[in-house]
Amino acid sequence: SQQGEEDPQALSIQEGENATMNCSYKTSINNLQWYRQNSGRGLVHLILIRSNEREKHSGRLRVTLDTSKKSSSLLITASRAADTASYFCTRTGGGNKLTFGTGTQLKVEL
Amino acid sequence: ETGVTQTPRHLVMGMTNKKSLKCEQHLGHNAMYWYKQSAKKPLELMFVYNFKEQTENNSVPSRFSPECPNSSHLFLHLHTLQPEDSALYLCASSQEQGWEKLFFGSGTQLSVL
Repeated sequence: SQQGEEDPQALSIQEGENATMNCSYKTSINNLQWYRQNSGRGLVHLILIRSNEREKHSGRLRVTLDTSKKSSSLLITASRAADTASYFCTRTGGGNKLTFGTGTQLKVEL
Repeated sequence: ETGVTQTPRHLVMGMTNKKSLKCEQHLGHNAMYWYKQSAKKPLELMFVYNFKEQTENNSVPSRFSPECPNSSHLFLHLHTLQPEDSALYLCASSQEQGWEKLFFGSGTQLSVL
């Protein structure tokens, strides 16, 4: 399975604070991707990091990848109420089966 | 707008009904996917089509019948469903199967009474 395990399951922060969520996996990867899902909607692709990369930025998003620990983290800086959503990680590698975990539910309060 | 359109957005059906979910993508992609998302559970990959050929059936019950007439359209035909089939059904597409980025539709929220 290429299911990512997101941690924590739920996270509640104040607007302006940073939010960090983690993803762990078990097998080797080609790349790891993060997605966001607003309640009752489809998932939106946020960022992709390749197995030979250690860090990647996109706007207020920063993703790190540690292949030795088989883990990745997503940092959202200066969070906004609009960042309230569920965040999922998934990976590609041998098998090409894109599966998702239960995600991290982020709530940003005003 | 992601370029993937799902209809209907909401569907209520009885266990003896037959209905179909439709997905259309305007991105020129070659792979299309059906996912099921139930409350408190991980997204479940149901089916994958690559260049109109089914390449993945994740042990889905036969009461769910997919159809992919061309690379732009994907259907999920439903018949004699069970209440536990109530869920958000998401369609996605990508350039090719296993490609790096999935584009999702907004989903069909299905309730089986």
